[in-house]
Amino acid sequence: DAKTTQPNSMESNEEEPVHLPCNHSTISGTDYIHWYRQLPSQGPEYVIHGLTSNVNNRMASLAIAEDRKSSTLILHRATLRDAAVYYCILPTNAGKSTFGDGTTLTVKP
Amino acid sequence: DTEVTQTPKHLVMGMTNKKSLKCEQHMGHRAMYWYKQKAKKPPELMFVYSYEKLSINESVPSRFSPECPNSSLLNLHLHALQPEDSALYLCASSRGQAIYEQYFGPGTRLTVT
Repeated sequence: DAKTTQPNSMESNEEEPVHLPCNHSTISGTDYIHWYRQLPSQGPEYVIHGLTSNVNNRMASLAIAEDRKSSTLILHRATLRDAAVYYCILPTNAGKSTFGDGTTLTVKP
Repeated sequence: DTEVTQTPKHLVMGMTNKKSLKCEQHMGHRAMYWYKQKAKKPPELMFVYSYEKLSINESVPSRFSPECPNSSLLNLHLHALQPEDSALYLCASSRGQAIYEQYFGPGTRLTVT
């Protein structure tokens, strides 16, 4: 299964954009890129996913590199409620999702 | 309704007890999952059910026994657990067992004494 690499932690100021990177250099041509986040004391929450093109939804944007070896989750205006652990995952076609250690995002007021 | 519910929220059990965790979804999803999460660690996949059949077992010890009685329900039967099995047990569901996004419940916090 392809692996992902994320920074352990990042900080942001409230109301500023946040760019959370993920490296997945062994990604295969059919692997989707999924992002989840886990707020304190909650289960993980789906954020966004994509294959090749950049994607937007009400929560975030996903920018995928042309060679697909990396991607960036973009929160356009961070709020205190966005403080969470963010996971970048490449689920297999068999439905197996392996969570790495993720990035802990701290948002400062 | 995009909710996955899990009961109980908290469970304390002795090593000789038998207990069950319950998970329910009413989104019409056909894949359901059990994950285990230790403190400050990422979730680890335990089991995957697809169309009510066990599809993936990640070499989980037999003291954990999953059951999917229908498409909306997923149980995890626990017997003779060890203190190191104390963790947050998360249930999730998705439209199918492939690349679909998963919806997670809030988890059951299990403590084995």
